[in-house]
Order: sequence, then structure tokens, then C-alpha cells
Amino acid sequence: KNQVEQSPQSLIILEGKNCTLQCNYTVSPFSNLRWYKQDTGRGPVSLTIMTFSENTKSNGRYTATLDADTKQSSLHITASQLSDSASYICVVSAGVNSGGYQKVTFGTGTKLQVIP
Amino acid sequence: GAVVSQHPSRVICKSGTSVKIECRSLDFQATTMFWYRQFPKQSLMLMATSNEGSKATYEQGVEKDKFLINHASLTLSTLTVTSAHPEDSSFYICSARDSRDSFSSYEQYFGPGTRLTVT
Repeated sequence: KNQVEQSPQSLIILEGKNCTLQCNYTVSPFSNLRWYKQDTGRGPVSLTIMTFSENTKSNGRYTATLDADTKQSSLHITASQLSDSASYICVVSAGVNSGGYQKVTFGTGTKLQVIP
Repeated sequence: GAVVSQHPSRVICKSGTSVKIECRSLDFQATTMFWYRQFPKQSLMLMATSNEGSKATYEQGVEKDKFLINHASLTLSTLTVTSAHPEDSSFYICSARDSRDSFSSYEQYFGPGTRLTVT
């Protein structure tokens, strides 16, 4: 069964500090891994997309890493800001479904709160 | 960038009534749109894949007669929750793929979501 597990479930950090969120997956055959930021009551917004051959990708203060051998990914946030408070969701795509589209498995997310 | 809108953003309806949620791609054409449901503190769950001009493909366990999907144009898909019950209260999110992207493209553009409350 395809699974995406994220840790920690929630995290509180001080403004200006760095943090790292973890994502472990058992999805197969792996296609790509995406990190999304979802503000409360809003739809997810894409941060990074990584394929099998990529092991790091940055988007401003967000840096994602991928280890396809251990099936782990991390999202590192540098110099956190109050606006970073949100849920961060790891999404892994694998294979195709009966309709020919990629099977997508969403993690349950890490809820990050940045406090002054 | 690609923008997807949803309307309404919030809706409260009485049990037994039907509610229609619209999903629009504003600056691109979307051959394929996806509908998700998200319960509090849970992840997004794919309900169905909506293809323009054809019947939607529903995920296992999703009642197609209860959740009617119509994708009549390249920029609009609608989800109608029929005979809504309190357990249908949830956050409904759509996403869309840009028709110009290759079939193997990974990108989905998400709408802002619709909060449905059934009383």
C-alpha cells in the first residue's frame, strides 16, 4: 500500500530560526515528490517538485532534498518568518491509475507555527 | 502563473438539499481537473478525476450519484453534492492540469477550496 508519512505532526519555532520537516514514503514505482504549503482554509501551493534523478531543489528560503534509495525527503526552511505558519504537505506520485493518470498519495502534513 | 478559482468559498446548507461548487481555471485551459475532499487534520483525498467532455472517473468508495461532476468546458468543472448530509461537511478542493503541459507533467494547480457545512 502506498503511504506517505510526515514528521513531526506539528512544530512551533521562533521567528528567524531554521527548521526541517521530514517525509518518508513507500510509494512505488516512484515518479516524483512535491512539497506544498497550505495555509489554513486555502488550497495547497506548490513549493518544489523533484524527480528520481534530483536530490535537492531550492525555492527561496525553502530547500527540499530527496534520497530515493532510503525513500526519504526533507524540507528545510531557513530564517523562518511569521508567514511561514502553515501546513506543509509532502505528495508522492507513482505509476499510473486505470485512467492513465499518475497515482498521487498525499501525506498528512506538518503543521508549522512560527511565533515572534 | 496559473490560477484556479472556486466558488463559493463557503456555503452552509440544510440537510437534504443540493450544493454546487464551481472550479475555474482563469488563465489556462484545463482538460483535466481533480476534486479532493479534506476533513479536519487529515490529508487531501482524491474523489474523482474530471475530464472535459467525458464522464468523470471516481475513486473507490466515492458515490458518483451523490457527487455529480460536470466538466462541460476547458475552464470549468462543477461538483454537485446531492442530498447533502452533515457527514458531507468538509473542505472541497479542486485542482487543474494545464492542457499545454505534457501528459506526463507533474504539476497541478490548486483552487482555494470551498468550505461546506451541512446543518
